[in-house]
Amino acid sequence: AQSVTQPDIHITVSEGASLELRCNYSYGATPYLFWYVQSPGQGLQLLLKYFSGDTLVQGIKGFEAEFKRSQSSFNLRKPSVHWSDAAEYFCAVGLMNRDDKIIFGKGTRLHILP
Amino acid sequence: DTGVSQDPRHKITKRGQNVTFRCDPISEHNRLYWYRQTLGQGPEFLTYFQNEAQLEKSRLLSDRFSAERPKGSFSTLEIQRTEQGDSAMYLCASSSDVAGGPPYFGPGTRLTVL
Repeated sequence: AQSVTQPDIHITVSEGASLELRCNYSYGATPYLFWYVQSPGQGLQLLLKYFSGDTLVQGIKGFEAEFKRSQSSFNLRKPSVHWSDAAEYFCAVGLMNRDDKIIFGKGTRLHILP
Repeated sequence: DTGVSQDPRHKITKRGQNVTFRCDPISEHNRLYWYRQTLGQGPEFLTYFQNEAQLEKSRLLSDRFSAERPKGSFSTLEIQRTEQGDSAMYLCASSSDVAGGPPYFGPGTRLTVL
């Protein structure tokens, strides 16, 4: 069965520092992958997606993610975080070319130090 | 605004009562998903539709839960004989048929069962 693991429940970084949030998946086929962000009291907003092609994908708000098939990972990165990036981040996985559900990780809460 | 809408946004009910939530997807989207999210957790898949057909139901969806999408447009999620453990945010999302099409989420309905 498919699964998504976000190993870090909480991450704290200083404003202006770089960020990497980890996501690992378990899937028997080529997945499509997403990152969402959820600010307190807000809905889930799509940051970026990987479907095929270039394994480094660019998203909104200066985020990017890299798909590494050999490591079953899809880590989210940002070169310099802003205080407004404090939120919960969710990685999600779906199965390509099939009618299938999309599974979410448990999330990583990002805290920003001034 | 042509995003996913959900109604009501908040619902407080007493244990044992029935509740019904509505989701209106993005108009050109054929797929519609229901998820449940509790505090500190990622969205948990409940069920999803391809047009009016319900394709999969999670084990989380007990017999007290039923979802419909009668005309392939809006969907309803009904919970009968609510329990305190049903208290959660219920999220609806929709996506296109295009492979890898990401789900776009509504704001959610927060259910509190007293």
